[in-house]
Amino acid sequence: EVQLVESGGGLSKPGGSLRLSCAASGFTLSTYSMNWVRQAPGKGLEWVSSISSSSSYIYYADSVKGRFTISRDNAKNSLYLQMNSLRAEDTALYYCTRGGLGDPWGQGTLVSVSS
Amino acid sequence: DIQMTQSPSSLSASVGDRVTITCRASQGISNYLAWFQQKPGKAPKSLIYAASSLQSGVPSKFSGSGSGTDFTLTISNLQPEDFATYYCQQYNSYPRTFGQGTKLEIK
Repeated sequence: EVQLVESGGGLSKPGGSLRLSCAASGFTLSTYSMNWVRQAPGKGLEWVSSISSSSSYIYYADSVKGRFTISRDNAKNSLYLQMNSLRAEDTALYYCTRGGLGDPWGQGTLVSVSS
Repeated sequence: DIQMTQSPSSLSASVGDRVTITCRASQGISNYLAWFQQKPGKAPKSLIYAASSLQSGVPSKFSGSGSGTDFTLTISNLQPEDFATYYCQQYNSYPRTFGQGTKLEIK
C-alpha cells in the first residue's frame, strides 16, 4: 500500500524553527517529485514547495521563500521541510503529497506558531 | 501567478442530484488541472487529473472536463459520502495554485 506519514509538527514561538519529515512506503520515492501543501485552520489548501525526484529542481511559494527549505533522502525514503523564522501565519496542517498529480496525501502534521 | 477561481463557493443539493462545479484559470493551462475531495478532518483525496482522467479507484460518477481556462467537475447521483469540499489545482506551472474550494452540503 502506498503511504505517506508526516511527523515533526508541534508548537513553536515566532522566530523559531521546526523540521517536518514525511516517510514514504509502498513505492520507490526516487522516481517521484514530492510536494508540501498546507492548510490553515478553517481555510483552503496552499501549495508550499516542490522538489524533483533527484533534487535538481526546487520551488517555493513566495510566502515561505528564504525561510523554508525542502529536501529529500531517497535512500531513506524520506522528504523533509526545514522551517525557520516561523510566523503566526505559518500555523497550519502540513501535508506531503506525491508527484505532479498530488496523489496520495499523508494525514498531515500540525504546526502551531504562537508566543 | 495563475489564479484559480471556483464557483460556486458553496452548494446545497439533495441525495440523487447531479451537480457541477466550475473552475476558471486566469490564463491557459492546457489540461493540467486536478480535482481533490476533502471530507471534514481528513486529508484531501485526488479524484481527477489531466482535467478528465479518473484516479484509480474513483467511481465513474465523478467526471471532469475542460481545457485552456475553463473546467468543470460533475458529480452524478449524489450520495451522503459525496458531501465534502472540492478543490481544483493547476499544475501547468509554478507556483502551483488551488481554487478556494467548493463546499457541497446536503439540502
